Amino acid sequence: GDSVTQMEGPVTLSEEAFLTINCTYTATGYPSLFWYVQYPGEGLQLLLKATKADDKGSNKGFEATYRKETTSFHLEKGSVQVSDSAVYFCALIQNQAGTALIFGKGTTLSVSS
Amino acid sequence: EAGVTQFPSHSVIEKGQTVTLRCDPISGHDNLYWYRRVMGKEIKFLLHFVKESKQDESGMPNNRFLAERTGGTYSTLKVQPAELEDSGVYFCASSQGRINSPLHFGNGTRLTVT
Repeated sequence: GDSVTQMEGPVTLSEEAFLTINCTYTATGYPSLFWYVQYPGEGLQLLLKATKADDKGSNKGFEATYRKETTSFHLEKGSVQVSDSAVYFCALIQNQAGTALIFGKGTTLSVSS
Repeated sequence: EAGVTQFPSHSVIEKGQTVTLRCDPISGHDNLYWYRRVMGKEIKFLLHFVKESKQDESGMPNNRFLAERTGGTYSTLKVQPAELEDSGVYFCASSQGRINSPLHFGNGTRLTVT
């Protein structure tokens, strides 16, 4: 079945450091790909998405590019802030109405000043 | 627009007891999903409602879990009797009926079974 694998955490960085969180997927067809973020004490929020190969999703300085050839959707940010500390989840969904998101295990990011 | 709300935010119960979690989706969202995250593991799909009908319940772990969505509005997830391995965070999400409609998640219910 479909699955998502993301790098193990926790990731600990200093403010203004470069961030990469790796995500690869296994899926039939052409799923849509997502990054969700969960800030402490809050629910999951959609951070960015890409619906087809070579699409780049971006939001709040984060970027991820849908790479079909490597089945990857790595999350990057050029300069992290303390407020970016959260758990980040990579996910996919097949492009059929009502199907369920499949998540990775989540990567905890801790940014210190 | 009110978001997805879940109640309670935390629940601590003893093994063998019953717990009922509630989810109120965004008004007008036909799709309602339940997910669970056991500590350190991925968020796993439990089931999916379209209005009041169960579209997919393939993720329900066993028959101790019962989900309902009477009237197609709010949903409840009952665990009876609870076991230690049921501990985790239970998330609810809702979406409209279109392909690629974004899922809106609640803050989750943290269930601890002791």
